[in-house]
Parts: sequence; C-alpha cells; structure tokens
Amino acid sequence: KQEVTQIPAALSVPEGENLVLNCSFTDSAIYNLQWFRQDPGKGLTSLLLIQSSQREQTSGRLNASLDKSSGRSTLYIAASQPGDSATYLCAPYNFNKFYFGSGTKLNVKP
Amino acid sequence: DTGVSQDPRHKITKRGQNVTFRCDPISEHNRLYWYRQTLGQGPEFLTYFQNEAQLEKSRLLSDRFSAERPKGSFSTLEIQRTEQGDSAMYLCASSLGGGGLNEKLFFGSGTQLSVL
Repeated sequence: KQEVTQIPAALSVPEGENLVLNCSFTDSAIYNLQWFRQDPGKGLTSLLLIQSSQREQTSGRLNASLDKSSGRSTLYIAASQPGDSATYLCAPYNFNKFYFGSGTKLNVKP
Repeated sequence: DTGVSQDPRHKITKRGQNVTFRCDPISEHNRLYWYRQTLGQGPEFLTYFQNEAQLEKSRLLSDRFSAERPKGSFSTLEIQRTEQGDSAMYLCASSLGGGGLNEKLFFGSGTQLSVL
C-alpha cells in the first residue's frame, strides 16, 4: 500500500516569501502525481499534474517537481500571497487510485 | 461543464439511521471516486467506478456501505445503521480516465456527515 508523507505539517510565512512543500511516497511505481489545494470545509482543487515521464510542471507561480526513483515531489510557491493560505495535498497515483498525504497547512501573513 | 456536484452539503443524523449521498460527476467523465476525509487528515479512498462498473472497494467500506452508479452517470453512496465513527466529509471526484492528463481529478465540495 502506498504511504504518503508531507513535511512540514504546517507553515506560517510572511507575504512575498518563496517556499517549498515536500512530499514523499513509499512506492515509486506511480503513473502520475497531483498536487491539490483545499480551503477549509471545501473540496480539493487540482493545481498541477505531473506524469511519471516528466520531471516538473509549472503553472503561474507554482512549480512542482517529481523524482520518481527516490519517491519525492516538491511544490514550489513563488512570491507567496495571503490568498495562497490553504492546505496543500500531494497525491501519487497507482493501483488505479490516488493516495493522499495529510497535507501542509500554509498560512501567509499580510 | 458545471463541475462535480454533491448533495446534500451537510447531513446531520442520529445513530442507527440510514443516509444517502448523491454525486453528479462532470459529464463524459468515465471514472468516479468516493473518498472520506476526517479533520486534519487527507482523503482516504473508499471505492471507484469505471462507467457503471464498481471496480474496487476499500476495506474501509464495511457491509453497511454501498455505492452505485447506474447507467454510468450519477452515483449514490448509502450508509446503513450509521455510527458516530462515520462522521466525516464524504468527497466525490471524477476524471476522464485512460491515462496521462485524462487522470486529472476533479472534486466536488463534499457532504459533511455528522452522526449524533
């Protein structure tokens, strides 16, 4: 069974900082990996999907990298804004399902 | 494309009652997933459908849980004889399926279940 760990569990930064969220997974035989954002009491919104053949994917201020062989992915957020405050979850995909970590709760202070 | 819809948004019930949730996926999405999420945790897989076929059920899904997806469109998740431990957010998600970018997952807003 795939186990997903996200570090740190929580992060508080001042507005404008660049930051890195880490994700590790135990089974490297994944087909892809998605990063999601979740606001309190809401569903999840897909931010980026990295296919297993890719090393990274970018969308605006977000950049996600994938090192399949070592079972790691990182989400880089540039020039953070208060609107980025949310929980970020990574989810590798194998065995026909996505496996989720507990997320990193991000607070960006104005 | 109106996104994934879930109904109701909130459900409060007494222990022992039956509840049913509905999910309407994005049209033409072949895959439909149900996940459960408790406070502070990531979503846990419950079951998924490829069109109308239920292809996998988690061991988390006891005999009190049943899910259907008639005609490969909307899906329902029923919990019989609810217990306090069933209290959670129940999330539905859909994707086109078939590999590559078609695996991008779209979630509904969830149904928050509280069992008193």
